Amino acid sequence: DAGITQSPRHKVTETGTPVTLRCHQTENHRYMYWYRQDPGHGLRLIHYSYGVKDTDKGEVSDGYSVSRSKTEDFLLTLESATSSQTSVYFCAIRAPASTDTQYFGPGTRLTVL
Amino acid sequence: DAKTTQPNSMESNEEEPVHLPCNHSTISGTDYIHWYRQLPSQGPEYVIHGLTSNVNNRMASLAIAEDRKSSTLILHRATLRDAAVYYCMPLDTGTASKLTFGTGTRLQVTL
Repeated sequence: DAGITQSPRHKVTETGTPVTLRCHQTENHRYMYWYRQDPGHGLRLIHYSYGVKDTDKGEVSDGYSVSRSKTEDFLLTLESATSSQTSVYFCAIRAPASTDTQYFGPGTRLTVL
Repeated sequence: DAKTTQPNSMESNEEEPVHLPCNHSTISGTDYIHWYRQLPSQGPEYVIHGLTSNVNNRMASLAIAEDRKSSTLILHRATLRDAAVYYCMPLDTGTASKLTFGTGTRLQVTL
């Protein structure tokens, strides 16, 4: 295991409510990523972080914000959830050095009614 | 970003070798080729990567074409636990190592 946990693992919420997903790592890696996975789309990058307070957008960032106040935690927030944000969300960390391998968390299944 | 093309699905019998192809004709000279797989109800996991030379590890082998426009992931003896979706993607280490997943190849392994 790469020491990545996500919470909650499952969540059901209603349209218009705020939702925050948490990714926690124990590896002290600099880079962290949030992806969403939907049928027929593979995984798509939402946001990523390259250090504390340093974040950038991915290809599907609209409707999402992120924060990284500590190396070990990367938070994904849906300010006002919509049904189109129903998805499985994966967090990943990047191992440094030559491989640049990413290690993924177990995922959070979010349903927005 | 480099685009990849993979077959949507493939089938294999258990204990037989499997060759999973990937075309990445727009790959740049500095992009590594990474392969990940995703088992049912799990997050993706790293399989193997390479730049120009063929690579082997405990999970698989990676054969890279001389022009680097295609690669093949080789599972030497498929098992039922290898049933997964396999993704190939170029990785530009200069752009925060962002992975661009396609739809991958769904591998079915039967007895």
